[in-house]
Amino acid sequence: ETGVTQTPRHLVMGMTNKKSLKCEQHLGHNAMYWYKQSAKKPLELMFVYNFKEQTENNSVPSRFSPECPNSSHLFLHLHTLQPEDSALYLCASSQGQGETDTQYFGPGTRLTVL
Amino acid sequence: LAKTTQPISMDSYEGQEVNITCSHNNIATNDYITWYQQFPSQGPRFIIQGYKTKVTNEVASLFIPADRKSSTLSLPRVSLSDTAVYYCPRNTGGFKTIFGAGTRLFVKA
Repeated sequence: ETGVTQTPRHLVMGMTNKKSLKCEQHLGHNAMYWYKQSAKKPLELMFVYNFKEQTENNSVPSRFSPECPNSSHLFLHLHTLQPEDSALYLCASSQGQGETDTQYFGPGTRLTVL
Repeated sequence: LAKTTQPISMDSYEGQEVNITCSHNNIATNDYITWYQQFPSQGPRFIIQGYKTKVTNEVASLFIPADRKSSTLSLPRVSLSDTAVYYCPRNTGGFKTIFGAGTRLFVKA
């Protein structure tokens, strides 16, 4: 499925590096999400954007900085990360309307912080 | 926000029917119940959604009793490729979907 794409698929970075994760959705959705999934842990919601406006920030440290320039693109800018930030970062999108709203996920970016 | 509750893991054999139950003790009147499937190193994938009674699609069936405090995902005749983690997240009606640990289903030959 290519409805939601994420790049890169794998990323290794040092604690002093700056990198960005990119997400693009081709489904015409209005809402986009960032999740973090650490090993053996549930998905943790990080940020939500609806019509380019941030609607959720789940107490995420400032070393993670999201950007949503339009409803189709979502970025996660990373700087001075810690080894415990190593995880699978998942992007999702949804229509953003109504109780039947369903999220469509991308394949994720596997991030390793050295 | 409270999460839903489901078994941590289940084992099955190929060709069997598998039923995974989820408790939705804090479900709100307008909340729909949605199930997702996740394979290792991939994002979750929508399986089925319902509000009450029974819903069936080409992949699964979903049974929801009248009080809507639980739901049961039924996978008919599972195969090895159904080995995955299954989630019944709590939909808050807004954008805050709360995923729990899910149920890890292992299908054996």
